[in-house]
Amino acid sequence: QQPVQSPQAVILREGEDAVINCSSSKALYSVHWYRQKHGEAPVFLMILLKGGEQKGHEKISASFNEKKQQSSLYLTASQLSYSGTYFCGTETGNYGQNFVFGPGTRLSVLP
Amino acid sequence: DVKVTQSSRYLVKRTGEKVFLECVQDMDHENMFWYRQDPGLGLRLIYFSYDVKMKEKGDIPEGYSVSREKKERFSLILESASTNQTSMYLCASKLGGFNRQVAKNIQYFGAGTRLSVL
Repeated sequence: QQPVQSPQAVILREGEDAVINCSSSKALYSVHWYRQKHGEAPVFLMILLKGGEQKGHEKISASFNEKKQQSSLYLTASQLSYSGTYFCGTETGNYGQNFVFGPGTRLSVLP
Repeated sequence: DVKVTQSSRYLVKRTGEKVFLECVQDMDHENMFWYRQDPGLGLRLIYFSYDVKMKEKGDIPEGYSVSREKKERFSLILESASTNQTSMYLCASKLGGFNRQVAKNIQYFGAGTRLSVL
């Protein structure tokens, strides 16, 4: 079952912060985050594993709440290069063998 | 760097035609995937393969078939293309197995094939 992402779209000014949420109705083994710029392939950002810690990647970090079956992606002091569509992917099952992407969140950063 | 190459960026076909989408990866990955991307629906899995000649249906396999005769190549086949198969198709590959190592969980995507069925 596809995870739910919110918001569907967000528009920011350069330097502003944003949070993208991903939630599932099933117990999660891991959560993956990818970014796709217009006309390009999706690119891996980070993965959060069950029992793992909050991850960070430059000014982009993420958290994983296993009990709530949710993950959040935090973009701080956004840059123009952050524009794109962000997808979460969730793994369920004992070994994470069932993987499905969310519908995506379109992020636009304006000067 | 991992490279996943899809044979065509743009393809235009007629209804009823048999269509082949090809994908090649150069990192000896065991797992390969075909996704369909539509606005508002994200990436939906059509089929995946975890080894040569092995395949599993994804969420939306109807109207599609796949072939994996060699480890590096994964083909998506539309037996009789229909207008509702107009979409962006993305291929991906990753290392096999279930492992907590991050590297084994990363999917590497091709640039995509935009297919229009008229």
